[in-house]
Amino acid sequence: NAGVMQNPRHLVRRRGQEARLRCSPMKGHSHVYWYRQLPEEGLKFMVYLQKENIIDESGMPKERFSAEFPKEGPSILRIQQVVRGDSAAYFCASSSDRETGELFFGEGSRLTVL
Amino acid sequence: SQKIEQNSEALNIQEGKTATLTCNYTNYSPAYLQWYRQDPGRGPVFLLLIRENEKEKRKERLKVTFDTTLKQSLFHITASQPADSATYLCALDMTGNTPLVFGKGTRLSVIA
Repeated sequence: NAGVMQNPRHLVRRRGQEARLRCSPMKGHSHVYWYRQLPEEGLKFMVYLQKENIIDESGMPKERFSAEFPKEGPSILRIQQVVRGDSAAYFCASSSDRETGELFFGEGSRLTVL
Repeated sequence: SQKIEQNSEALNIQEGKTATLTCNYTNYSPAYLQWYRQDPGRGPVFLLLIRENEKEKRKERLKVTFDTTLKQSLFHITASQPADSATYLCALDMTGNTPLVFGKGTRLSVIA
């Protein structure tokens, strides 16, 4: 049973380009969360999605960032017109049951903006 | 807003000793408190969850306590080993229906 799969593991973009990060949750999990981690900082919540629905996007920057979790396929975190401050590790996590809250994390996607 | 503080950025202990990590929070108590382990370049891995009405939880060499009066959780690793060296993250779930809020973590080094 594969865990949470994230790709790419490493992504380099120039300022102004777009970054797309993909996340396939664990089999049977319908809850997906995206977190951002800066060096020496804690994990910061960005967005919580279920299939085809954004449940909580209170941690998402208002501009340039968007997320989706379509009926078929992985969840996508999209960052448009990237800036150097977007450089970070982006972690996806999934869970099967919202109530217990235990999260299973992927290995992360490390974005570097030149 | 809720703030989480983990006692120190780094903690060094001798192999075989008990490591104790602290997680303090402000405001009201969460419904759940969780601990995760994160190795460099890897994603966090879930270790233990303790509920608001539980005082203590154990799993092998790990023990977590939850004191809602002190607004504090303690995370213990007994008979520590160099393989326990990692960053340990405390996370709060305020209502059982809100996203987990993470502390910055404590980097534990167990010296042989």
